[in-house]
Amino acid sequence: EPEVTQTPSHQVTQMGQEVILRCVPISNHLYFYWYRQILGQKVEFLVSFYNNEISEKSEIFDDQFSVERPDGSNFTLKIRSTKLEDSAMYFCASSEAGTSGSGETQYFGPGTRLLVL
Amino acid sequence: GQSLEQPSEVTAVEGAIVQINCTYQTSGFYGLSWYQQHDGGAPTFLSYNALDGLEETGRFSSFLSRSDSYGYLLLQELQMKDSASYFCAVSPGYQGGKLIFGQGTELSVKP
Repeated sequence: EPEVTQTPSHQVTQMGQEVILRCVPISNHLYFYWYRQILGQKVEFLVSFYNNEISEKSEIFDDQFSVERPDGSNFTLKIRSTKLEDSAMYFCASSEAGTSGSGETQYFGPGTRLLVL
Repeated sequence: GQSLEQPSEVTAVEGAIVQINCTYQTSGFYGLSWYQQHDGGAPTFLSYNALDGLEETGRFSSFLSRSDSYGYLLLQELQMKDSASYFCAVSPGYQGGKLIFGQGTELSVKP
């Protein structure tokens, strides 16, 4: 069964450093998403991406964040200058189509646990 | 604003039936999804309701009342492996299809 994959599974970084989180969405999917989950809290939407551009972003997704689809398979989230409060689990997800009434499922990857020291 | 309310914890015994409720207040609504998450792992899709009524998928069923801004997940014949966190999530319908998640309900199934 196709699945979303993410690398690395864990990332430890120093405050102020740049990190790049990588995702390989399911191959025939068109919509891509990043979410984050701070330990013990709910899953929060960061950004959605379609047709090589951002569809929507949340207020969490400030100028320190960027996303890119550098080739036909990878989807990356970059945090330019990490802060302590960026420590969280970051999930990538993909869907065949947007969920605007279509009921299309979003499939989540296993996540990258980011720890900023 | 956007808010989803669900109980923080539910405990039940093996073989029992449990219902996890979710009420929502969002600007825009196209559907309500339910996800399962084990120990902080990947959220796994369980069910989706766009229209009022009951959707059944094996041991799991989900219900939606759009007029009441309310839904629930019903788990039957509980098994130990059902111990997990369960999240309701609203699709507000904006292009790109983001999900807005509730805080999650931690279900503990006892022998």
